[in-house]
Amino acid sequence: GENVEQHPSTLSVQEGDSAVIKCTYSDSASNYFPWYKQELGKGPQLIIDIRSNVGEKKDQRIAVTLNKTAKHFSLHITETQPEDSAVYFCAAAQRGFQKLVFGTGTRLLVSP
Amino acid sequence: KAGVTQTPRYLIKTRGQQVTLSCSPISGHRSVSWYQQTPGQGLQFLFEYFSETQRNKGNFPGRFSGRQFSNSRSEMNVSTLELGDSALYLCASSSLAGGETQYFGPGTRLLVL
Repeated sequence: GENVEQHPSTLSVQEGDSAVIKCTYSDSASNYFPWYKQELGKGPQLIIDIRSNVGEKKDQRIAVTLNKTAKHFSLHITETQPEDSAVYFCAAAQRGFQKLVFGTGTRLLVSP
Repeated sequence: KAGVTQTPRYLIKTRGQQVTLSCSPISGHRSVSWYQQTPGQGLQFLFEYFSETQRNKGNFPGRFSGRQFSNSRSEMNVSTLELGDSALYLCASSSLAGGETQYFGPGTRLLVL
């Protein structure tokens, strides 16, 4: 089955810096890759997603890139703010299936 | 639009008991998926329902079951609770089934003593 690895497990940056989180997946049949942000006491919130027919997608300060050949995808957050501090999860899914396979999460801390 | 709602938000049970958790999807969404989140195992897929039919099931024992009603609301049940069932149980809904964006609820935190 699918396996998703996520790095780093923790990431500390200064406000205004950029943050990059990387994930790799194992199943070439996966074609949908969402990213979720989870704050303490809350459920995961979708922040951006990408499908395998697209190499990059941006939404304001957030961008995701996908390399299908290498089977990895990354989340890029620019101009980080303290409110970006949270745990971020990447996930992968196959077309036709709702089963999301999640990475182990990255705890991002943005210091003022 | 209201988001995904889950009830109850917190629950304490003892070993051997059973528990039922409820999920109301976003209005108009027909697919409901359930996930278990623990510090040790992370986020793991339990099962997915679409139009009252279970479409996919994760690698969990038969003590974990679910169902979906005609209004798309879903329940999951865990029988004969074990200490290791303590977790945050998350429900996610999507408008269709199969690779569609999933929106999560706040979860039900279950503590088994």
